[in-house]
Amino acid sequence: DQQVKQNSPSLSVQEGRISILNCDYTNSMFDYFLWYKKYPAEGPTFLISISSIKDKNEDGRFTVFLNKSAKHLSLHIVPSQPGDSAVYFCAAENQGGKLIFGQGTELSVKP
Amino acid sequence: TGVTQSPTHLIKTRGQQVTLSCSPISGHRSVSWYQQTPGQGLQFLFEYFSETQRNKGNFPGRFSGRQFSNSRSEMNVSTLELGDSALYLCASRTSGKAYEQYFGPGTRLTVT
Repeated sequence: DQQVKQNSPSLSVQEGRISILNCDYTNSMFDYFLWYKKYPAEGPTFLISISSIKDKNEDGRFTVFLNKSAKHLSLHIVPSQPGDSAVYFCAAENQGGKLIFGQGTELSVKP
Repeated sequence: TGVTQSPTHLIKTRGQQVTLSCSPISGHRSVSWYQQTPGQGLQFLFEYFSETQRNKGNFPGRFSGRQFSNSRSEMNVSTLELGDSALYLCASRTSGKAYEQYFGPGTRLTVT
């Protein structure tokens, strides 16, 4: 039972353009949603989060949008840079403090 | 220093057992373990806090763990199967929010 889903395994974007990574979830009781970024041979690093009571959170080039009625969140990266090329995981925290991750989307930003 | 894991890579054969080690960031009392496989993403195995298992994922009993008084944690997989080949990640945090987790680089396990 995949409670958090990232349906696009990969995404390719031109440098300078917007990257939009999507994530869907099934459990309406999740408290927090997070995005992690992972480079090869490294562990995931926390990127940005959003509380379930908000619909938008912005941090520099990264913005996360939450649509609770659609049970959907997205990560926007503007402008995209080659150094953003990595695997991005969305995750949701349940009330027990457990993080449930999606399958990941591999972003490739081409110069 | 950050979260460290050992070994970085290892190769085992089916039926063997393996023990992986994780040293959390100093002062972090919670250690969580995850399995990363292509197509499945990161799947939560278990979390230990102050030497007690606090949370558990949906993995068979072949997967077990423990935490020591210095917060270091070990994960054990017995009777290895080919499907256990994966990157095993551990993460540590204070007792705060899950987004304050810091991940180690992982141990790549290959089962042949």
